[in-house]
Amino acid sequence: GAVVSQHPSRVICKSGTSVKIECRSLDFQATTMFWYRQFPKKSLMLMATSNEGSKATYEQGVEKDKFLINHASLTLSTLTVTSAHPEDSSFYICSASGGSSYGYTFGSGTRLTVV
Amino acid sequence: RKEVEQDPGPFNVPEGATVAFNCTYSNSASQSFFWYRQDCRKEPKLLMSVYSSGNEDGRFTAQLNRASQYISLLIRDSKLSDSATYLCVVTRDRDDKIIFGKGTRLHILP
Repeated sequence: GAVVSQHPSRVICKSGTSVKIECRSLDFQATTMFWYRQFPKKSLMLMATSNEGSKATYEQGVEKDKFLINHASLTLSTLTVTSAHPEDSSFYICSASGGSSYGYTFGSGTRLTVV
Repeated sequence: RKEVEQDPGPFNVPEGATVAFNCTYSNSASQSFFWYRQDCRKEPKLLMSVYSSGNEDGRFTAQLNRASQYISLLIRDSKLSDSATYLCVVTRDRDDKIIFGKGTRLHILP
């Protein structure tokens, strides 16, 4: 089946630094990828949609300059949390879609802790 | 009105019982519907798609009511391992985005 690899699974960083999270589709081409964040005991919140070769579309309230998304190839999307603050600590999950016939596959998530 | 709404629960249900929960959606043009299961601190995993005709997978039955704009999930003969958060997911037709409900927490009691 479709596999999405997300890396790293866990990261601790200092305030002010940047963190890059990678999401790779291993056995299919992901024309669209979604990035979510999830706070404890809350549901997933869509942050942005990235389409290969074009700019990401950000949801209302999500700072595009803070959460940089790059989808340079059909198998890789990256989310960079710039100038991280403790309030950015969260669980970030990517989801990839190769088209309507493939459905949606999730990465295993990245738990970010900013200290 | 939120795009997707679920009762957050928790539903505390004795093992072996049947439990059902619904999810309502606001956009009548919504295209596809799914139930995902999420265990604590894990990523969500697809439980089942929801088809217009209703579908069953073992102890799980999902149904879609387009007229009333809700989907349902029924779990029969519940097991301890069914304890999880169940997320209702709806895709919007215009951009294929996945919209999650807040989830319903289910606790199966021994």
